[in-house]
Amino acid sequence: QKEVEQDPGPLSVPEGAIVSLNCTYSNSAFQYFMWYRQYSRKGPELLMYTYSSGNKEDGRFTAQVDKSSKYISLFIRDSQPSDSATYLCAFSPGYSSASKIIFGSGTRLSIRP
Amino acid sequence: DTAVSQTPKYLVTQMGNDKSIKCEQNLGHDTMYWYKQDSKKFLKIMFSYNNKELIINETVPNRFSPKSPDKAHLNLHINSLELGDSAVYFCASSQATRGGREQYFGPGTRLTVT
Repeated sequence: QKEVEQDPGPLSVPEGAIVSLNCTYSNSAFQYFMWYRQYSRKGPELLMYTYSSGNKEDGRFTAQVDKSSKYISLFIRDSQPSDSATYLCAFSPGYSSASKIIFGSGTRLSIRP
Repeated sequence: DTAVSQTPKYLVTQMGNDKSIKCEQNLGHDTMYWYKQDSKKFLKIMFSYNNKELIINETVPNRFSPKSPDKAHLNLHINSLELGDSAVYFCASSQATRGGREQYFGPGTRLTVT
């Protein structure tokens, strides 16, 4: 079983739609759950992180973690063409730099105007 | 005022050559990383340095040698390049206490080995 699984997409939705991106993981040692966004030909940038089960909201973005099911989601409300990018889920066993971040392979998202 | 910068942005070279990629960060961070992103977009850690000390050293061929002259710079030297080394290499930086979740990435160096 892979440590992290993420549907590669591509996912294409009309502007204004609610987007749901998901990842599953198998390593119970993961304590931090992150979403990074990567625009084409750019480096990834951190969108959100959380360390507990439940929801965390930041503007149009909501990160959801279900540790019992080993499942995380990112919801984007009122999606905009500028949200078109690859979204990488990421996991880490700790907060310090000695903790390796494990990335999913990314879901390519396209928002149609 | 770029936060994490890499040079060069593109690198095309032949098999067997030796090449270097340079990275600099002006965020005042004390930890820097090298990642490799392959054609399937998998982003994998290669090395990490904290205050010039190697703290993460993944299983990569010893043709890859990182070097950190100071905490703002991390270079990657690759000897005897192979076709399989073709990928995008990202440098990243963080504060040591946040590195497990919050890393800042450079724009990447796209390496093509022919």
